[in-house]
Amino acid sequence: GQQLNQSPQSMFIQEGEDVSMNCTSSSIFNTWLWYKQEPGEGPVLLIALYKAGELTSNGRLTAQFGITRKDSFLNISASIPSDVGIYFCARMFPLSGGGADGLTFGKGTHLIIQP
Amino acid sequence: DARVTQTPRHKVTEMGQEVTMRCQPILGHNTVFWYRQTMMQGLELLAYFRNRAPLDDSGMPKDRFSAEMPDATLATLKIQPSEPRDSAVYFCASGGRAGFNQPQHFGDGTRLSIL
Repeated sequence: GQQLNQSPQSMFIQEGEDVSMNCTSSSIFNTWLWYKQEPGEGPVLLIALYKAGELTSNGRLTAQFGITRKDSFLNISASIPSDVGIYFCARMFPLSGGGADGLTFGKGTHLIIQP
Repeated sequence: DARVTQTPRHKVTEMGQEVTMRCQPILGHNTVFWYRQTMMQGLELLAYFRNRAPLDDSGMPKDRFSAEMPDATLATLKIQPSEPRDSAVYFCASGGRAGFNQPQHFGDGTRLSIL
């Protein structure tokens, strides 16, 4: 129930194309996060979503929190070479020690852009 | 921009040796998390500190792993004795004031190889 199913696993696209990836779960969540990881670096937070139906943009990136609270998608418009990386969805869950949330991550979408 | 700093960036050692990984959270952040990333399992939460106190280490193998936070500017993750299956990238993340829905910011990781 806590597993996140992220798809597609990888994408090979041409520069300039739009990209869409999504994340689903059998459980409902209160928060969806989208991170990007580049080689040799840690995940970097792109967008955080806190309300069902919420649509948030960050430059060419747009993410939405599904109405059912069980899914989220991330779109990238007009892709450029620096968009290459692994994109992870993540959800927050209350930690047993209390006081904060941990993160559960999807397996990631590898984005490869051909010039 | 403030960043989480991790050292060393790379570590190669023989099995049985002690390994210590260090993390300097973002100044003012009082929640610190340790994650492990492998190809098979993806990103997994190992341990969590709030105000320097370990509150959740249920994801961490207790027999050989230990996590401490000697002061507000240093968190450590130790493996003793190390085993080849411990090879992974270990990430530290810190979050703002303790509480829910606080996004985490990741360091660039320690890439650990146990021979």
